[in-house]
Amino acid sequence: QVQLMESGGGVVQPGRSLRLSCAASGLTFRNYGMHWVRQAPGKGLEWVAVIWYDGSNKYYGDSVKGRFTISRDNSKNTLYLQMNSLRVEDTAVYFCASDRRSKVLEYWGQGTLVTVSS
Amino acid sequence: DIQMTQSPSSLSASVGDRVTITCQASQDIKNYLNWYQQKPGKAPKLLIYDASNLETGVPSKFSGSGSGTDFTFTISSLQPEDIATYYCQQYNNLPIFTFGPGTKVDLK
Repeated sequence: QVQLMESGGGVVQPGRSLRLSCAASGLTFRNYGMHWVRQAPGKGLEWVAVIWYDGSNKYYGDSVKGRFTISRDNSKNTLYLQMNSLRVEDTAVYFCASDRRSKVLEYWGQGTLVTVSS
Repeated sequence: DIQMTQSPSSLSASVGDRVTITCQASQDIKNYLNWYQQKPGKAPKLLIYDASNLETGVPSKFSGSGSGTDFTFTISSLQPEDIATYYCQQYNNLPIFTFGPGTKVDLK
C-alpha cells in the first residue's frame, strides 16, 4: 500500500534552517505531483507548496514564498522541503501529500512537527 | 485570491443525526471542491472530490453537493467514528490549493 513518511522535524531557533524529507513507497513516485501542507497547533490546514511530477514546476503559498524550497529526487522516491529564515509562525506539523490529476490530495503522510522557538 | 469560508465552525450532534456543513467560495469555482476528514492526531483523508463524487472506499453516508460558490457536505446518520474536523478545499486556481477553516464535529 502507499506510504509517505516524513522526517526531519524538530526544534529550531528563529532565523535558522531545517530540511524536511518525505520518503514514498507503494506508488510510482515519479508520476505524481507532490505537496507540502502544514497545520499550526490547534489550527486548520494551510497549503505550503507543490512540485510537478518531474520537478519542472514549483509553486508556493504566500507565507513561505522566498524562504522555502520544494524539491524531489525521483531516483530516491523522496520529496524535500528546505526551510530557511524560519519564524515562530512556521511552527506546525508538516504533511507531505501526493496529488491525483493535480486536483486532489490523495495520499498523506502522518506529519512531522517543526517547532520554531528561541 | 480565492477565500473559503465554512459554517458552522463547530457543531454538536447526537448519534443518528443528519449533519450538514456548508462551504462558500469568494468567487465561482465551478465544482472544483473537495472535502477531507481529519481525526485528532491523524492526517486528513479525502472523502469527496469534484464537489459530489464519493472517494473509493468511503461510506455512502457521506455526500457532497453544490457548484459555483456554495457547497454542502452531509453526513446522513452521525456515528461516533465520524467525530472529526471536516475541511473543504478548492482547486479552481491550480496549482494553488486553498482550504476552508474547518468544521469540528463532536457528539452531544
